This record gives sequence, structure tokens and C-alpha cells, in this order.
Amino acid sequence: DTGVSQNPRHKITKRGQNVTFRCDPISEHNRLYWYRQTLGQGPEFLTYFQNEAQLEKSRLLSDRFSAERPKGSFSTLEIQRTEQGDSAMYLCASSPDRGRGGGQPQHFGDGTRLSIL
Amino acid sequence: DAKTTQPNSMESNEEEPVHLPCNHSTISGTDYIHWYRQLPSQGPEYVIHGLTSNVNNRMASLAIAEDRKSSTLILHRATLRDAAVYYCILRAAYNTDKLIFGTGTRLQVFP
Repeated sequence: DTGVSQNPRHKITKRGQNVTFRCDPISEHNRLYWYRQTLGQGPEFLTYFQNEAQLEKSRLLSDRFSAERPKGSFSTLEIQRTEQGDSAMYLCASSPDRGRGGGQPQHFGDGTRLSIL
Repeated sequence: DAKTTQPNSMESNEEEPVHLPCNHSTISGTDYIHWYRQLPSQGPEYVIHGLTSNVNNRMASLAIAEDRKSSTLILHRATLRDAAVYYCILRAAYNTDKLIFGTGTRLQVFP
């Protein structure tokens, strides 16, 4: 178990460019989550997948954002036409199926830090 | 979405117990209380969760008020590695699996 892996760790890009981040969850974890965190704030939920199905999307996920998990394993988060306000840490997490009750803990990666020039 | 209220910051000395409070007066009967912590430059890390009864694990203890409107995360002996932001989160039992983080409590631990 190598934990949740996110690449790249840092991304610097110019406003208006497209960026794509990758998340590799813990193997055999069916659920995968994306969050965004700005300085001094807690993470904000963006979306999550059960296998390849995207089950919930936040209103924060504008039409410039798209997330995929094509084979139910790794996931990508793409931001098109980046804006200054997109500068943040993008966190990925994974967990086994929810199961009963309180839910399985979510295991987080260390994030991709996006800086928009 | 049910909200939680935590102090912005707390301080402790090393090897002393730490009690981190959380108020959640709008908790529903099926919400679970989860705690995560985030060390500098890392993603959040699960600490503990519970529904009604107090819970213990290797990292911490969770004490839940009888009316469930508040809870306390207890670190029995703080170490320097426990310095982090601690988040108290209400997790719905149905319909959604997202975590809703607040701004958390920044814990400083002094040697």
C-alpha cells in the first residue's frame, strides 16, 4: 500500500492555459474524491466517483472543470482556460466502498499545488 | 449541510493531554462525527469517528456529549508531531459521501 499518489506536485502556468492533474488511488479503493484547498481554509469538496461513475459534483465545479475516471482506477482533473482564482491545492482522496454506517475513512494524497501567473 | 464550530487555535505543551472541542448543534440523528488532521504541506489524515458512544483508537479518543451537540477530541500525550490543523466534520450517513471541512483548530505544541 503506497498511499494516494498525485502528480505533478506543483504546476505553474499562465492564465488561460489548460492544466491536467492525475491521481492514483490506493489499489482496490472503489471511491475517489477531489477537493480544492486555498490558503488558510479547509478543503472544499469538488466531486467523487464510485468506480468509473461520477456520483456527485459540487457547484464549485464550473464548466471549465472536468474530472474523469475512465477505467475505475486513476483519475484526472482538467481545468480549461485557467483563471487567477483557480490557484489552490488540489487534493485527491480514495476509500473502499462506503459500507454501513459512518463510512470508510478517506485517504488523502499530498496534493497538486497550482499557481496561475 | 450541518455545520461545526471550533476554536481557531489552541496551544499545548509536549506530553500534556489536549482536549479539542467541537460544537455541532444542528447535527442530525444519522450524522457521524469525524475528525481529520492536516500536518503542514500534507493532505488531511483520518483520526477517528463516532456516532453516539465514546471511541478510542491508537491516535486519540473521541468523547461525544449525550445530546450529540458537541464532541471533544482527546490527545492523551501531545507530541511535537501532533502540531497540525484539526478538523471536526459531520458526515451524512446517506445520500452523499463528501466531507465538509470548516477552518479547523490549529494546534501548537511547545517543547
